[in-house]
Amino acid sequence: TQLLEQSPQFLSIQEGENLTVYCNSSSVFSSLQWYRQEPGEGPVLLVTVVTGGEVKKLKRLTFQFGDARKDSSLHITAAQTGDTGLYLCAGAYGNKLVFGAGTILRVKS
Amino acid sequence: GAVVSQHPSRVICKSGTSVKIECRSLDFQATTMFWYRQFPKQSLMLMATSNEGSKATYEQGVEKDKFLINHASLTLSTLTVTSAHPEDSSFYICSARPLVVLAPTYEQYFGPGTRLTVT
Repeated sequence: TQLLEQSPQFLSIQEGENLTVYCNSSSVFSSLQWYRQEPGEGPVLLVTVVTGGEVKKLKRLTFQFGDARKDSSLHITAAQTGDTGLYLCAGAYGNKLVFGAGTILRVKS
Repeated sequence: GAVVSQHPSRVICKSGTSVKIECRSLDFQATTMFWYRQFPKQSLMLMATSNEGSKATYEQGVEKDKFLINHASLTLSTLTVTSAHPEDSSFYICSARPLVVLAPTYEQYFGPGTRLTVT
């Protein structure tokens, strides 16, 4: 079983729509990170959340860390075709990062 | 800042041969580097944790004699796939954690990946 459950696995939406990706766990993480990866490239760090209840915004992206530091969400407002990619959440667990299964997002024009 | 490079970006090798992949942190020092494997449209699977000057720690199910890891300096780690077989074909990604990193963020910076194809 995955330590971090990420959902949905696939998301296909029209440009301009909003979407939310979720990461849930029964474990507490000292921090949680969100990455975006394009085909054939390495993941690029979008944000790190550390404090329970923390909300961070990056242009049209809003990241939230649950109060108990067991879950997180990524909300994209007015999605654009350039948002297409694989989104990964990763929790700091000991010395390692534990990754969710990833969400493949496709934004259609 | 925080740039990690990998070389080569793509490699094709014949079954039974060995392939070395390099991971370098270009503008920071990293005591810890990580090696991941990724299958198409799937998440990253941690293979091993590499600490400078010491033996790598391998995840369960990863053969340490097949995937040799060397972390000789604070900016370089190498992964050698020995006696490669077609099932070893995959996307291999390394990451590096800066020497000075604020806990509890444990941020890692990823290389661009290496596509290995074993024929």
